[in-house]
Amino acid sequence: AQTVTQSQPEMSVQEAETVTLSCTYDTSESDYYLFWYKQPPSRQMILVIRQEAYKQQNATENRFSVNFQKAAKSFSLKISDSQLGDAAMYFCAYRRRSGTYKYIFGTGTRLKVLA
Amino acid sequence: DTEVTQTPKHLVMGMTNKKSLKCEQHMGHRAMYWYKQKAKKPPELMFVYSYEKLSINESVPSRFSPECPNSSLLNLHLHALQPEDSALYLCASSQAGTSGSYEQYFGPGTRLTVT
Repeated sequence: AQTVTQSQPEMSVQEAETVTLSCTYDTSESDYYLFWYKQPPSRQMILVIRQEAYKQQNATENRFSVNFQKAAKSFSLKISDSQLGDAAMYFCAYRRRSGTYKYIFGTGTRLKVLA
Repeated sequence: DTEVTQTPKHLVMGMTNKKSLKCEQHMGHRAMYWYKQKAKKPPELMFVYSYEKLSINESVPSRFSPECPNSSLLNLHLHALQPEDSALYLCASSQAGTSGSYEQYFGPGTRLTVT
């Protein structure tokens, strides 16, 4: 069975600084997708970034980038130039490429941004 | 339009009541999801509809009854709930099919309190 682990329940970062959230996963599959979702307090969950396992190049979306290490089964999210609006719960999620709609979510990391 | 809407935003119901949650999307997605989310926890998948047919039921108690009347609408009928069913209920949608990334788009949720 696949599992996703986020070992940092809470992180803090100073505004304008850089922070990295960690995520590890376990799977016997070779082809899958990984996602980072952001859920601000009392606001809806939105997709931050997506990585396809067969692509070696790390995904980037503006200030958000990932460090995808397939052999190590690691998928960390780097947020550069942190802003107050980045404060949220961040969930890492895994989905097998085929045969299922199910996401496997990690337990989440609460990110606080300090002014 | 990348919006998933949910009504009502808040719902308080007694254990003998019958109520329904509604979800709507106009992105042309043919897969729709219900999740239950407790505070500071990741979403837990309850049901998935694919092409208006129930595709996944994660062994949810029968007091929760999903319905997908058309490709844009998803309902969750509630009856004889227990206080432990109090949670945030999230709807999501995605493209259908299970061989792509098909990221999910989430609604803002309905905050349900069972008294």
